[in-house]
Amino acid sequence: DAGVIQSPRHEVTEMGQEVTLRCKPISGHDYLFWYRQTMMRGLELLIYFNNNVPIDDSGMPEDRFSAKMPNASFSTLKIQPSEPRDSAVYFCASSFKTQETQYFGPGTRLLVL
Amino acid sequence: QKEVEQNSGPLSVPEGAIASLNCTYSDRGSQSFFWYRQYSGKSPELIMFIYSNGDKEDGRFTAQLNKASQYVSLLIRDSQPSDSATYLCAVIPGGTSYGKLTFGQGTILTVHP
Repeated sequence: DAGVIQSPRHEVTEMGQEVTLRCKPISGHDYLFWYRQTMMRGLELLIYFNNNVPIDDSGMPEDRFSAKMPNASFSTLKIQPSEPRDSAVYFCASSFKTQETQYFGPGTRLLVL
Repeated sequence: QKEVEQNSGPLSVPEGAIASLNCTYSDRGSQSFFWYRQYSGKSPELIMFIYSNGDKEDGRFTAQLNKASQYVSLLIRDSQPSDSATYLCAVIPGGTSYGKLTFGQGTILTVHP
């Protein structure tokens, strides 16, 4: 298996622009997680899905952030409009319910100028 | 008080020594505890998880859990330079749903030859 796939790997954009991050979980995994990592705040859970349904989005910082999972093999995290404080590494992870291991993707490094 | 606290380090040990990484958590109802390793510029990967009080060993790694003291640790025996990384402690707080990990800030470990 190729593991969790994320795109793009790097994104540089200007403040006010829309940013869309993409994730393909490991085939057969029924949980998908979006995390954000910064030096100041560490690794934070933003939202997670079970069987494509959002279960907990309490970590989403504000209305500028939205996430969707239209099918079992694809999820997006969108920031609109983006701000410099959104600069971070965004990780997607997936897992089976019966296994506690969450497998992380390589991350997307986002820089908002 | 942060939910999960770790000494940020850096912790420096000589090759072949035992590295001891510590983590405390605030929610007494927490049930599941995890150690992730993150190499610089890479994504976190699970090393071990522990649910019950006591020790759990896996190769050179031993996780120790003391729920009464709200303390979990990771010992790395015969440390190697390849163990140099940031180690993240993660907890699923009590009363939260599956998979909702709360991470500590991480401890940077350097193993020098």
